[in-house]
Amino acid sequence: GAGVSQSPSNKVTEKGKDVELRCDPISGHTALYWYRQSLGQGLEFLIYFQGNSAPDKSGLPSDRFSAERTGGSVSTLTIQRTQQEDSAVYLCASSPAAGVPLHFGNGTRLTVT
Amino acid sequence: SQKIEQNSEALNIQEGKTATLTCNYTNYSPAYLQWYRQDPGRGPVFLLLIRENEKEKRKERLKVTFDTTLKQSLFHITASQPADSATYLCALSSGGSYIPTFGRGTSLIVHP
Repeated sequence: GAGVSQSPSNKVTEKGKDVELRCDPISGHTALYWYRQSLGQGLEFLIYFQGNSAPDKSGLPSDRFSAERTGGSVSTLTIQRTQQEDSAVYLCASSPAAGVPLHFGNGTRLTVT
Repeated sequence: SQKIEQNSEALNIQEGKTATLTCNYTNYSPAYLQWYRQDPGRGPVFLLLIRENEKEKRKERLKVTFDTTLKQSLFHITASQPADSATYLCALSSGGSYIPTFGRGTSLIVHP
């Protein structure tokens, strides 16, 4: 009965370094979402995976951002050459099917110095 | 452009009163609308979903209304408690899209 798990919970990195953020969705959930939340801002959509379909990458802010989902389960969000404006909380969510309520993890707080 | 507006100012109310939060939207034809609760340092937690053809939904002390003519949803918490203090987010999904768009949320503070 575990929920969505994200790791690390906190990540501090130097500008220009690459980072990988991991999301373990709830077992059996076919849909997986990545959002990011900056201080005082709403949730900004990044990318959406549904089953074996091609992901919807329309929210990725630049080509420095990429994500993959292996075996329809674990997902990794990669940010290359991090910039200070990438500092935010990165939230992952899963749902048992497309369009039903999202179950969120507690996020990874990324700080780029 | 599409916009979702939630009151950016915190709502302060006294314990026992009814809290009412507003979500307004423009340039949207939402198929359904969701409300989430978010506590500091945590991810949002789903509370209620209401579809475009529904006027009202209830769950325990929570009630959501959805007026597609006014382009507005109201979220009510009756008999509020200090434990209800949190940020409340609304999220809209248009027909054919499974990607909810979130508002910035409204902070609710319930004073004992």
